[in-house]
Amino acid sequence: KQEVTQIPAALSVPEGENLVLNCSFTDSAIYNLQWFRQDPGKGLTSLLLIQSSQREQTSGRLNASLDKSSGRSTLYIAASQPGDSATYLCAALNTGNQFYFGTGTSLTVIP
Amino acid sequence: DAGVIQSPRHEVTEMGQEVTLRCKPISGHNSLFWYRQTMMRGLELLIYFNNNVPIDDSGMPEDRFSAKMPNASFSTLKIQPSEPRDSAVYFCASSLPLEPDTQYFGPGTRLTVL
Repeated sequence: KQEVTQIPAALSVPEGENLVLNCSFTDSAIYNLQWFRQDPGKGLTSLLLIQSSQREQTSGRLNASLDKSSGRSTLYIAASQPGDSATYLCAALNTGNQFYFGTGTSLTVIP
Repeated sequence: DAGVIQSPRHEVTEMGQEVTLRCKPISGHNSLFWYRQTMMRGLELLIYFNNNVPIDDSGMPEDRFSAKMPNASFSTLKIQPSEPRDSAVYFCASSLPLEPDTQYFGPGTRLTVL
């Protein structure tokens, strides 16, 4: 069974800093990997999706990378802002169409 | 579109009571997913449907849990009898045909079993 781990569990940074969130998965036979954002009391919003054949995806200040061979993905956030404060989840989609989620990294950006 | 709609948003009940959570997927989406989120275990898939048919229910924790999708616009997740360890946030998500990687999540139902 796929296991997804996210480190760190919580992160606090001052506004303006660049930061990296880490995600690792045990089974490299994934269809794709996604990064989601979850705000308190809300559902999940997809940020970036990386297909298994891709190495990275970018959207604005966000950049996600994927290294299937090592079972790792990172989410890079440039010039962090207080509005980036949320929980970030990574999820691996296996070939059986099932998502396996990590437990998330809770990010706080201090003004 | 209003997105995925879940009700109730919050539910507090006593141990042993029956709990029914409801979900209305986005119109035109033929795949529906039920997830449970806890601090200890994170977000876990309980069951998913394609065209109203349950495809994989291996994540359903016990026989106390059951899910139905009587039509394309409505699904229920029922817990009977409920236990304190069932306390969690339950999410419903839906996706277009053949696009399981593009799931749209509802706001969730926070369940507390006393």
